[in-house]
Amino acid sequence: GAGVSQSPSNKVTEKGKDVELRCDPISGHTALYWYRQRLGQGLEFLIYFQGNSAPDKSGLPSDRFSAERTGESVSTLTIQRTQQEDSAVYLCASSLEGGVSYTFGSGTRLTVV
Amino acid sequence: AQSVAQPEDQVNVAEGNPLTVKCTYSVSGNPYLFWYVQYPNRGLQFLLKYITGDNLVKGSYGFEAEFNKSQTSFHLKKPSALVSDSALYFCAVRDRRSGGYNKLIFGAGTRLAVHP
Repeated sequence: GAGVSQSPSNKVTEKGKDVELRCDPISGHTALYWYRQRLGQGLEFLIYFQGNSAPDKSGLPSDRFSAERTGESVSTLTIQRTQQEDSAVYLCASSLEGGVSYTFGSGTRLTVV
Repeated sequence: AQSVAQPEDQVNVAEGNPLTVKCTYSVSGNPYLFWYVQYPNRGLQFLLKYITGDNLVKGSYGFEAEFNKSQTSFHLKKPSALVSDSALYFCAVRDRRSGGYNKLIFGAGTRLAVHP
């Protein structure tokens, strides 16, 4: 596609429920990144996929967070047993391997009530 | 470990005056450096990046940034601020090494407020 697409754009969930956030990167972009942005704060790195290499999961805050990516296409970020502290905007970005141009999606705003 | 510091939570400047938003970094070697801007309820927009060559990088909307290796800084500047420049600005770094070092590390952000 022309840009990085994220869905849903907004998600309200009850505490304790699981949620899945989707990212559809730019076609041909082998690298995909997930970030979390709490209200008024910076972007925290969560996880990075690069082609068929093992993902860099060093930013995942707890074992409730996981992500998958099938080949070089769509990625899903899953948060299990959501907590209020998980409320944030989750941003996805993609780039070419080794590239220095990153395209960000518009994000998914997650609210845990 | 890589890190980025934006020492000012907020910068206030009068319209028409020059502005500077500060960024320092801690990365092994010479990193790639980036500035992004985020307007309210909108996505992250790329402003400029330093890859190699001239230390002064010119970007979108009249912004520029100067790479200073000795001070490990990459301050964002604009000669004459506009009210419409008011937004949240993020500095980011990326390790220059290949093979799994693509991720951007962001600073905490600086809110720029330009007053008429």
